[in-house]
Amino acid sequence: SAVISQKPSRDICQRGTSLTIQCQVDSQVTMMFWYRQQPGQSLTLIATANQGSEATYESGFVIDKFPISRPNLTFSTLTVSNMSPEDSSIYLCSVVRDHVTNEQFFGPGTRLTVL
Amino acid sequence: KNEVEQSPQNLTAQEGEFITINCSYSVGISALHWLQQHPGGGIVSLFMLSSGKKKHGRLIATINIQEKHSSLHITASHPRDSAVYICAARNYGGSQGNLIFGKGTKLSVKP
Repeated sequence: SAVISQKPSRDICQRGTSLTIQCQVDSQVTMMFWYRQQPGQSLTLIATANQGSEATYESGFVIDKFPISRPNLTFSTLTVSNMSPEDSSIYLCSVVRDHVTNEQFFGPGTRLTVL
Repeated sequence: KNEVEQSPQNLTAQEGEFITINCSYSVGISALHWLQQHPGGGIVSLFMLSSGKKKHGRLIATINIQEKHSSLHITASHPRDSAVYICAARNYGGSQGNLIFGKGTKLSVKP
């Protein structure tokens, strides 16, 4: 399996501010993803983090609101910009280690509350 | 109608009971995941299936491709099994991370 850590584990933020969430994996992985889980809802894919290039965003998500970096094969960040209460969610980092097993692993999540 | 349906939505069991959670999907899939989400929000990947059956400890997952149905079984349930169990399907030909998630089954195991 892949061991994934996220920082912070939770935060309470004021509207209009930005928060950067970090995702660290214990080994190199081929693919990294960011998901959002709004209260009472299923997970939704925000984007695929691409190493050394711009992330690939899903419909409804844009780079200005959710800038993502992936400087190497073990680390990625997601920033939630200009936050509003609607951004209150759990944000999860997920990885696929390799294309042989294609197994997908999830991080512990970051619980964000925007006041 | 959601492309991935889970039942039941909520399940309460007594410790020691055998538990089954069902997942039906309407799309062609290349893989199906069973995930466990604890109250803190973190998700643990339990199984990834494309056919047949997998077993890990007290957990068993089965999939019937023809019937588009999967089940997660927990034998000798324990209060620490209390969590939300989520079924997620990867569309055949879909991008790697773009899973279709069920709404989850909230399991509570009473001592």
